Amino acid sequence: QVQLQESGPGLVKPSETLSLTCTVSGGSVSSGSYYWSWIRQPPGKGLEWIGYISYSGSTNYNPSLKSRVTISVDTSKNQFSLKLNSVAAADTAVYYCASLYCSRTSCFLNPWGQGTLVTVSS
Amino acid sequence: QSVLTQPASVSGSPGQSITISCTGTSSDVGGYNYVSWYQQHPGKAPKLMIYDVSKRPSGVSNRFSGSKSGNTASLTISGLQAEDETVYYCSSYTRSSTVIFGGGTKLTVL
Repeated sequence: QVQLQESGPGLVKPSETLSLTCTVSGGSVSSGSYYWSWIRQPPGKGLEWIGYISYSGSTNYNPSLKSRVTISVDTSKNQFSLKLNSVAAADTAVYYCASLYCSRTSCFLNPWGQGTLVTVSS
Repeated sequence: QSVLTQPASVSGSPGQSITISCTGTSSDVGGYNYVSWYQQHPGKAPKLMIYDVSKRPSGVSNRFSGSKSGNTASLTISGLQAEDETVYYCSSYTRSSTVIFGGGTKLTVL
């Protein structure tokens, strides 16, 4: 059973870079049909998809965040990572990593990590 | 990209049925059978309840069902129970190969 766990700093200063890592256990980031994803949720608000990366390294990002986001994968460590540049208070959120399974006949996000709160503040 | 449209809140009495709608466009909900629904309790990660419009993951109660008509998908919960009271989100794959979420619906069990 695949499990995901986010890790990284819980506090980031404005204008700096937010960096998070998601460790995958019980499965491989090299698996086909899986797209390793990041989603965030500001306090008291809804879910926002950030982007994903495939095992081959191809990426797709939310257009509203594309200029500031980089998602990468490290197959040797079975991890994938998120970097968000030039953060501001509006980037304060719980950040989730999740597995997006997409094939010709099916597409859904499951499982999800437990989430990690990142606060942007000086 | 815009969010999918969900009602902010719905309510029902125990034992009753409720339906939550999720409206998108032909570029997302209407264009693909890749609508999924997530249940999120406070402080917890979202849990997949329905995928591919109407399929239920193993372990999810058959009181939860999904459907779609045109650009609108729906989640129906029958036999409402107190434990169903929480927030539900819909999601869809899009023509741009991205993922989009609804704004969330708070379900209150009266």
